[in-house]
Amino acid sequence: DVQLVESGGGLVKPGGSLRLSCSVSGFTFSRVSMSWVRQAPGKGLEWVGRIKNKTEGGTTLYALPVMGRFTISRDDSDNRLYLQMNSLRTDDTAVYYCTAGGGGGSYWGQGALVTVSS
Amino acid sequence: SYELTQPPSVSVSPGQTARITCFGDELPKQYAYWYQQKPGQAPVMVIYKDIKRPSGIPERFSGSSSGTTVTLTISGAQAEDEADYFCQAADSSDSWVFGGGTKLTVL
Repeated sequence: DVQLVESGGGLVKPGGSLRLSCSVSGFTFSRVSMSWVRQAPGKGLEWVGRIKNKTEGGTTLYALPVMGRFTISRDDSDNRLYLQMNSLRTDDTAVYYCTAGGGGGSYWGQGALVTVSS
Repeated sequence: SYELTQPPSVSVSPGQTARITCFGDELPKQYAYWYQQKPGQAPVMVIYKDIKRPSGIPERFSGSSSGTTVTLTISGAQAEDEADYFCQAADSSDSWVFGGGTKLTVL
């Protein structure tokens, strides 16, 4: 069975940092592009960014609201995806989902709640 | 910036056909994807590449595309289909864009 499990969420003060991790099993992680998508409380889905697989160059792309503050990386040897979040703002408060797939998210994790508040 | 536009809500009676539309200028050039999200749960892909249905998704879910509009159709909607539905596509820079979501009520 395919499983994506996020971890690392929590409460952080504005200006702080947090790193989310997504552990993947059930498919060949190294072959798949991965994305992060977030959902603020009571709101819709917002794409955060993605990282391609190594064969496609391993390149990253970010949404404008997080560009320069968030970094996506992957460890294919450990089947893990990461989201390093710096200079966090209150409007970054959301559930963060990792999702697998190129054009769209075929598989999703259960989400990790990040709360940015003083 | 690129936008995908969905109606905020759609209501149908059980057994009726529900249609949820999604409008976007880039849709003739990009595939669309549809997700179902129930309260407190992660999204689930129900349609990919405009018209394809992932394994495990009931046959009553179908997708269609016509120009700048894609449509998710639920034929014979059931109470368990009540959820939020989001369309998604890529823009010209390969960034993902989501529609604002449609709340489907089956009653």
